[in-house]
Amino acid sequence: EAQVTQNPRYLITVTGKKLTVTCSQNMNHEYMSWYRQDPGLGLRQIYYSMNVEVTDKGDVPEGYKVSRKEKRNFPLILESPSPNQTSLYFCASSFEGLGSYGYTFGSGTRLTVV
Amino acid sequence: SQQGEEDPQALSIQEGENATMNCSYKTSINNLQWYRQNSGRGLVHLILIRSNEREKHSGRLRVTLDTSKKSSSLLITASRAADTASYFCATGLSGSARQLTFGSGTQLTVLP
Repeated sequence: EAQVTQNPRYLITVTGKKLTVTCSQNMNHEYMSWYRQDPGLGLRQIYYSMNVEVTDKGDVPEGYKVSRKEKRNFPLILESPSPNQTSLYFCASSFEGLGSYGYTFGSGTRLTVV
Repeated sequence: SQQGEEDPQALSIQEGENATMNCSYKTSINNLQWYRQNSGRGLVHLILIRSNEREKHSGRLRVTLDTSKKSSSLLITASRAADTASYFCATGLSGSARQLTFGSGTQLTVLP
């Protein structure tokens, strides 16, 4: 089944403790992206990747890191999480990054930073 | 920054009725997409309409696009309780690789 797999689904952590949210897709998509979703603010793009070793900032990149060493994986790293990063996170992938194709989204990771 | 704005923010209808949601945007686009999100879950792609298209159908969904008014509408015919979800429009901007930019969504409730 074609899908984007995010892990974990739920995560509670403490301020300052580094964490990684994994994202993997099995569709050979070139484009991958991370979004966060907050009430009243909609979905905001954090980082995106047009292909392996090519990443760029979205609208809200501060406090996050990403890497794209393999086509299928696009982990999101929070080096020193803070409470304002409490949010619902989504990874998405697409055939290419120019918006001509629909996105496939993961099921989401609900992160709470205390 | 949000490009699309959905209207209304919330819509409640009876099963069997039609539901219409609107999306307005600000700048030139390559295409416009609609997504559905069930509570707290991932978004599901519904339909994509390109800037040179005016109308598109997919099952019970009908999407229109008016580039002169920078607006789109999503019509769900003969709605079902299972259609209860949030619906988002997303715009693919001309010449931009940062796709997609999402609106804030319409919460649709279909009452049985």
